[in-house]
Amino acid sequence: AQTVTQSQPEMSVQEAETVTLSCTYDTSESNYYLFWYKQPPSRQMILVIRQEAYKQQNATENRFSVNFQKAAKSFSLKISDSQLGDTAMYFCAFMSPYNTDKLIFGTGTRLQVFP
Amino acid sequence: GAGVSQTPSNKVTEKGKYVELRCDPISGHTALYWYRQSLGQGPEFLIYFQGTGAADDSGLPNDRFFAVRPEGSVSTLKIQRTERGDSAVYLCASSLGQGAVDTEAFFGQGTRLTVV
Repeated sequence: AQTVTQSQPEMSVQEAETVTLSCTYDTSESNYYLFWYKQPPSRQMILVIRQEAYKQQNATENRFSVNFQKAAKSFSLKISDSQLGDTAMYFCAFMSPYNTDKLIFGTGTRLQVFP
Repeated sequence: GAGVSQTPSNKVTEKGKYVELRCDPISGHTALYWYRQSLGQGPEFLIYFQGTGAADDSGLPNDRFFAVRPEGSVSTLKIQRTERGDSAVYLCASSLGQGAVDTEAFFGQGTRLTVV
């Protein structure tokens, strides 16, 4: 069974600085998808960035980028120029295209951005 | 609608009671998912609908939990004989039908269920 591990329960960063959130996963499959979701206090999960395992190039979305290390099964999220609005829970998630597209989430990292 | 709508936003019920949680997906989305998020945890998969049928209900914890989607749009998650351990946020997500592979799964704001 696939598992997702986020070992940082809480992180903090000063506004305009850069922070990296860690995520590792376990799977025996070679083709899969990885995601980072943001969950603000409103509870709504918002997709931040997506990575397809067969693509070697790391995904980027504006201030958000990932470091995808397939052999190490590592998928970290880097947030550059952190903003107060980035304060939220961040969840790493795994999805297998062979398993009804359900998402398997980690336990989350609470990120606090300080002014 | 503009987004995934879940009602009620909050629900408090007594132990042993029956509850229904509603999810109204984005219009045209054929795939619908229910997840349960306990305090301090990530969401856990409960059930997946493709159209009207439950394509995967492997995440339902026991037979007190049941979900329907009779017309392929609105879905209702039903919990019988609620227990205090059922207290959690129940999240619904919908997508165009390819799952998160080719399209984004959009989440609602969830229903916070508290069993007292």
